Amino acid sequence: EADIYQTPRYLVIGTGKKITLECSQTMGHDKMYWYQQDPGMELHLIHYSYGVNSTEKGDLSSESTVSRIRTEHFPLTLESARPSHTSQYLCASTKTVRTEAFFGQGTRLTVV
Amino acid sequence: GENVEQHPSTLSVQEGDSAVIKCTYSDSASNYFPWYKQELGKGPQLIIDIRSNVGEKKDQRIAVTLNKTAKHFSLHITETQPEDSAVYFCAPMGGYQKVTFGTGTKLQVIP
Repeated sequence: EADIYQTPRYLVIGTGKKITLECSQTMGHDKMYWYQQDPGMELHLIHYSYGVNSTEKGDLSSESTVSRIRTEHFPLTLESARPSHTSQYLCASTKTVRTEAFFGQGTRLTVV
Repeated sequence: GENVEQHPSTLSVQEGDSAVIKCTYSDSASNYFPWYKQELGKGPQLIIDIRSNVGEKKDQRIAVTLNKTAKHFSLHITETQPEDSAVYFCAPMGGYQKVTFGTGTKLQVIP
């Protein structure tokens, strides 16, 4: 059982609201990732982190931002949600770059 | 970054038949080759992996084969069952720091 948790699981929010999606892992992994995925489709990397105070943008441009103040915590923030942000967001972590990636259950975001 | 392609994008098989999914990659420094299974409403989960010093690995009904020269590796599922229905992703890892997943294959096993 993976020790990586995402909250909330589901979120419906109005346009223009600020939201933060939480991701925490208890495995002590340095590397963490955020992916955006539409149902049954590709996993698009939007942010990643090598460790505390390290964040990088991924392959897919995103209006979201991330922070990594603690090893175990990697929250994703949208300052002003729009309907185009409706998607599933998956958080993952790895011990090193060449080992298994552990995923959270995901947050399904709907912006109305 | 790493360019990763999977084929086919969708695959339907009769229960009991075999399924094969192929993943091609571009980074010759890749040395870790995992396959993930994503069931509906869940995050992907590792089902089998192989490292570059091994050509084939088997775990019950699933196996992974690697061809480093041609830069591809494949997932083989034998005696498919309805619970094998899911989306499968490869994620070859090498010199790049970020984890790049393949485009995904939706497998449907028809009872």
